[in-house]
Amino acid sequence: EAGVAQSPRYKIIEKRQSVAFWCNPISGHATLYWYQQILGQGPKLLIQFQNNGVVDDSQLPKDRFSAERLKGVDSTLKIQPAKLEDSAVYLCASSRASGGFQETQYFGPGTRLLVL
Amino acid sequence: GQSLEQPSEVTAVEGAIVQINCTYQTSGFYGLSWYQQHDGGAPTFLSYNGLDGLEETGRFSSFLSRSDSYGYLLLQELQMKDSASYFCAVRALNSGNTPLVFGKGTRLSVIA
Repeated sequence: EAGVAQSPRYKIIEKRQSVAFWCNPISGHATLYWYQQILGQGPKLLIQFQNNGVVDDSQLPKDRFSAERLKGVDSTLKIQPAKLEDSAVYLCASSRASGGFQETQYFGPGTRLLVL
Repeated sequence: GQSLEQPSEVTAVEGAIVQINCTYQTSGFYGLSWYQQHDGGAPTFLSYNGLDGLEETGRFSSFLSRSDSYGYLLLQELQMKDSASYFCAVRALNSGNTPLVFGKGTRLSVIA
């Protein structure tokens, strides 16, 4: 089974520019997550989708970050405008069903963003 | 809110056993998971404990004590390829959802 795909793998932009990341989850996985991982820290959940609906976006900085999963499959995460502190790895993960307690999340390779 | 504490770094010898501890404080608790992440790689799931006790998967075991808000990951017969960061993560209640909340990770270095 193919894993979670993400692109691009690396991105360098200047502050105040915009950037978008793309994620294609494992086929058939209903739940999709976007995490931000700052160097030396654990992943932090930004947003969780169940099919094409948002389950949790409580930690998404909505003044600059947006995400969508229009057809319940792939997803995009956008930052507009970027700040220096947005430099991080953006990880996409998916899980089979409802995101329940015991459910394994499968992570993609991430997009490394550097904001100059 | 939630907070997790785990050592930042651990060094162990190839073939030995190492234990990585994790203590947590959460508002609501729905289990403790462990993930492994190699440098530049994706986090991969290792284990989940929903109830007290020990879960064993090959060379890796994980333990949970809910009364002590404590868990650990035990790695046996260490191999060089086990050098990675290990994250504990709790399922905790947040605005009606139970997201994974990760610790800062423990960087394990296996030396010959």
